[in-house]
Amino acid sequence: NAGVTQTPKFRILKIGQSMTLQCTQDMNHNYMYWYRQDPGMGLKLIYYSVGAGITDKGEVPNGYNVSRSTTEDFPLRLELAAPSQTSVYFCASSPGTSGRASTGELFFGEGSRLTVL
Amino acid sequence: AQSVTQLDSQVPVFEEAPVELRCNYSSSVSVYLFWYVQYPNQGLQLLLKYLSGSTLVKGINGFEAEFNKSQTSFHLRKPSVHISDTAEYFCAVSYTGGFKTIFGAGTRLFVKA
Repeated sequence: NAGVTQTPKFRILKIGQSMTLQCTQDMNHNYMYWYRQDPGMGLKLIYYSVGAGITDKGEVPNGYNVSRSTTEDFPLRLELAAPSQTSVYFCASSPGTSGRASTGELFFGEGSRLTVL
Repeated sequence: AQSVTQLDSQVPVFEEAPVELRCNYSSSVSVYLFWYVQYPNQGLQLLLKYLSGSTLVKGINGFEAEFNKSQTSFHLRKPSVHISDTAEYFCAVSYTGGFKTIFGAGTRLFVKA
């Protein structure tokens, strides 16, 4: 029973490099989210998706991109990494009918710790 | 703007003592409310949720929370804590009709022997 799986768990990047954080879920959830967690700041929403082919910006989208070609996968792309992107990134999913409001209950992956030097 | 405020960043407490972690949210519409727990180096897991109905909600590990609409609060309580309850706790709100969940900054609970 995998749930939400994120890879990699840890990564060190140099300034200016790019990378993709992978996220996949096997619960057939329509809604998927990317959050970043910084100490004392809680979780901030980067991007979210309400179904395959549909994505939208959250609170802190700058420097990131996403795509949602399938229900299961929701990768997060970092372009031109900057030290401000050093953080722990969490992918989450939520059940619900595509296009209709979610209750907001989230199922989280274990996180990806990214350091940009 | 929608927001969630957790009034205490850290709460130290002795084992077997009661604890309350406070949460307030801003809203003029109906909400769904959640508490999540995060153990070190792990993801977040749901502790309890309020969607509708009874304002007193019971969750896992002996935790409970009370929804107070007039005070826009959703405080988390446990009558007797254990060392294993040491973790960070996040209050979160989702607004009905929406797709996003907003989190508070977190409260770090330290349970001392």
